[in-house]
Amino acid sequence: DAGITQSPRHKVTETGTPVTLRCHQTENHRYMYWYRQDPGHGLRLIHYSYGVKDTDKGEVSDGYSVSRSKTEDFLLTLESATSSQTSVYFCAISEVDWTWTSGYGYTFGSGTRLTVV
Amino acid sequence: DQQVKQNSPSLSVQEGRISILNCDYTNSMFDYFLWYKKYPAEGPTFLISISSIKDKNEDGRFTVFLNKSAKHLSLHIVPSQPGDSAVYFCAVAAQGGSEKLVFGKGTKLTVNP
Repeated sequence: DAGITQSPRHKVTETGTPVTLRCHQTENHRYMYWYRQDPGHGLRLIHYSYGVKDTDKGEVSDGYSVSRSKTEDFLLTLESATSSQTSVYFCAISEVDWTWTSGYGYTFGSGTRLTVV
Repeated sequence: DQQVKQNSPSLSVQEGRISILNCDYTNSMFDYFLWYKKYPAEGPTFLISISSIKDKNEDGRFTVFLNKSAKHLSLHIVPSQPGDSAVYFCAVAAQGGSEKLVFGKGTKLTVNP
């Protein structure tokens, strides 16, 4: 399997507490992404990174921050968790491949199920 | 507004028959079109892709068709197997568009034995 791991796999936290999710890759890929998956919404991009210390917002970035101090690690922080942030969070990595035959795509981690009570 | 629409939340087919999953997109600038498959409690996995210079790409039982004029993408699975039961996400991207994939909401496929 591709070298991407997410931790923790499951977490329950209380409203108002800070939470940090970790994504670790061993592929040396340039791009890393955080998505959340919710019923009726599919996969929505929270933040992404195109290199060390280079990050940008996705479509649902409010209430989240990220950091990437090393190529292999991309951290997602919920500054003050709310019940609306209960979700499954997926990290993904990619090294863009522009060849026409192989296309291009992400490799996803196994996800973190976060419950905010 | 949604850039990628999968209008069927669910689809049920019999084993051995064809499964057809559909996806519509709004932006004609998209260059790459992909399908991902997701089992419960796992991350999505890449299934098949097609670039805008083609109208068909085949990989075993899976074929993706692209109709650029209609901005429509479809995934055909023939023959369908119970192990194909999963959620299928359509995703699109534009070259030079910061390399971000935009995903649809997904279609849950159930293949009945």
